[in-house]
Amino acid sequence: EAGVVQSPRYKIIEKKQPVAFWCNPISGHNTLYWYLQNLGQGPELLIRYENEEAVDDSQLPKDRFSAERLKGVDSTLKIQPAELGDSAVYLCASSLFGQGGDTIYFGEGSWLTVV
Amino acid sequence: AQSVAQPEDQVNVAEGNPLTVKCTYSVSGNPYLFWYVQYPNRGLQFLLKYITGDNLVKGSYGFEAEFNKSQTSFHLKKPSALVSDSALYFCAVRDKGNYGQNFVFGPGTRLSVLP
Repeated sequence: EAGVVQSPRYKIIEKKQPVAFWCNPISGHNTLYWYLQNLGQGPELLIRYENEEAVDDSQLPKDRFSAERLKGVDSTLKIQPAELGDSAVYLCASSLFGQGGDTIYFGEGSWLTVV
Repeated sequence: AQSVAQPEDQVNVAEGNPLTVKCTYSVSGNPYLFWYVQYPNRGLQFLLKYITGDNLVKGSYGFEAEFNKSQTSFHLKKPSALVSDSALYFCAVRDKGNYGQNFVFGPGTRLSVLP
């Protein structure tokens, strides 16, 4: 079974430029998460989707961040414009409601460097 | 509110010795508890979880963890450490009775196994 797939793995951009990250969750998983991880720290939730609906986006900086999950499968996270402080790892994860305590499975992450 | 503490930023252990990585949690109800491991430049990888039942949970790569409700702890253990176990370890908790709440991750503990 394929895991959570993210792209790109690495991205270097200049500040004020836009960037987008793509995520394909584990097949059949209805819940999709985007997490932010700063170096050496734990993941922090940005947004959680149940199918197509964003059920928790309280920690998403909406002035520059946006996300969508069309058709309840793939998702895209966008930053526009990027700031130096956005340099971090953006982790996508998925889970299946009601299964195994809703264990979250992570992708390999998209590593963003803003210069 | 949910919270997770990992009181040690760093744990050093000699190869072949037993290892323990500590985790304490706080939830209003009963917890789902998880351990994840993160190797350099990789995403978080699921190790094991406590949902219900036996307090001693066995997971991947010879790791186990013991749920202690009275001490609100879920320490990760391994009888004999390997150099390849060196990584960043994260504990996470979710309130079992409240699906609407998100997972909360601890700040991480860096395990170094010395040859």
